[in-house]
Amino acid sequence: EPEVTQTPSHQVTQMGQEVILRCVPISNHLYFYWYRQILGQKVEFLVSFYNNEISEKSEIFDDQFSVERPDGSNFTLKIRSTKLEDSAMYFCASRSQGAETQYFGPGTRLLVL
Amino acid sequence: LAKTTQPISMDSYEGQEVNITCSHNNIATNDYITWYQQFPSQGPRFIIQGYKTKVTNEVASLFIPADRKSSTLSLPRVSLSDTAVYYCLVVAGQAGTALIFGKGTTLSVSS
Repeated sequence: EPEVTQTPSHQVTQMGQEVILRCVPISNHLYFYWYRQILGQKVEFLVSFYNNEISEKSEIFDDQFSVERPDGSNFTLKIRSTKLEDSAMYFCASRSQGAETQYFGPGTRLLVL
Repeated sequence: LAKTTQPISMDSYEGQEVNITCSHNNIATNDYITWYQQFPSQGPRFIIQGYKTKVTNEVASLFIPADRKSSTLSLPRVSLSDTAVYYCLVVAGQAGTALIFGKGTTLSVSS
């Protein structure tokens, strides 16, 4: 069964550093999403991406965040200057055309020190 | 999107049927009801989705009354591995919108 994959599984970084989280969505999917989940809290929507542009973003997704689909398979989330409060699990999800179901990856656990 | 309300936690024993009810009083005509499951340190996993009446798949059943103001996820004969957080979401009929998660229901299954 096709799966969304994410790398790395864990990332530790210093405050102020840039991080790039990578995702490989399911191959025929066209809609891509990033969510995050701070430890013990609910899953929060960050951004959705379709046709090489952002289609929707939340208040969390400020100028420190950016997304990119650099090639035909990868979908990345960049945090330019990490803050302590960026520590969370980051989940990538993808969806096919015409379907509502989003398929989530296993997540990247980001720890900002 | 309609706000959802579901119990914070539920306890069950192996082999029992578990029913988790979710209320969504302000659901719109085009909205769907979707349930996800999440294990610790894993991404949410789609379980089932429905619009009205009853939907059944190999994992669960979803019961939606005619007024669609509530829904019930039914897990038949749960096992220890069904211990997880279960989220009820109302998804706009326009595909592609963000999923808005609540706190979900933490189901604990004991032997």
